[in-house]
Amino acid sequence: AQTVTQSQPEMSVQEAETVTLSCTYDTSENNYYLFWYKQPPSRQMILVIRQEAYKQQNATENRFSVNFQKAAKSFSLKISDSQLGDTAMYFCAFMNSGANSKLTFGKGITLSVRP
Amino acid sequence: DTAVSQTPKYLVTQMGNDKSIKCEQNLGHDTMYWYKQDSKKFLKIMFSYNNKELIINETVPNRFSPKSPDKAHLNLHINSLELGDSAVYFCASSQTWDSLQAFFGQGTRLTVV
Repeated sequence: AQTVTQSQPEMSVQEAETVTLSCTYDTSENNYYLFWYKQPPSRQMILVIRQEAYKQQNATENRFSVNFQKAAKSFSLKISDSQLGDTAMYFCAFMNSGANSKLTFGKGITLSVRP
Repeated sequence: DTAVSQTPKYLVTQMGNDKSIKCEQNLGHDTMYWYKQDSKKFLKIMFSYNNKELIINETVPNRFSPKSPDKAHLNLHINSLELGDSAVYFCASSQTWDSLQAFFGQGTRLTVV
């Protein structure tokens, strides 16, 4: 079974600064996908970024980028130029490939952006 | 316009009651899911349906019964509600069972008193 670990329960960052959220996972599979989801106070789950395990290049979406270390099973999210609207819970998630694929989530981290 | 919509958004009910949460997606997706987010914000999959067929059932108590009348709808019926069922329930959909993007509804906060 796959597990996703987010060991930091909460973090705080000053507006316009950069913050990195950590995530590690455990799997015996070679082909899989990793995601970061954002859950603001509105409760909506929003996909921030995703990474295919077979791709060596780290995914980037505007101010959001990941550091994917497949051998270390690490998948951290870097948020550059933090904005007040980035305040939310962030969930790291793993999805196996193939039949019965499903998202397995970490416990989440609460990020607060200070003005 | 909402891609994945759930009703109701809030539900307060007494122990022992039976309740349903409805979910509809207008994206033409084949696969739909139910996730449960507990009081500690931990999200876990409950069920997955692909073209109205159950493909994932994650050891959820029998009191929870999903129903998919067509591939655009996946409703969740809960019998004999217990205090521990209090949670936020999210419906989601994806193009196929192996799609890389799942679209989530806004969640239904269920409170059992």
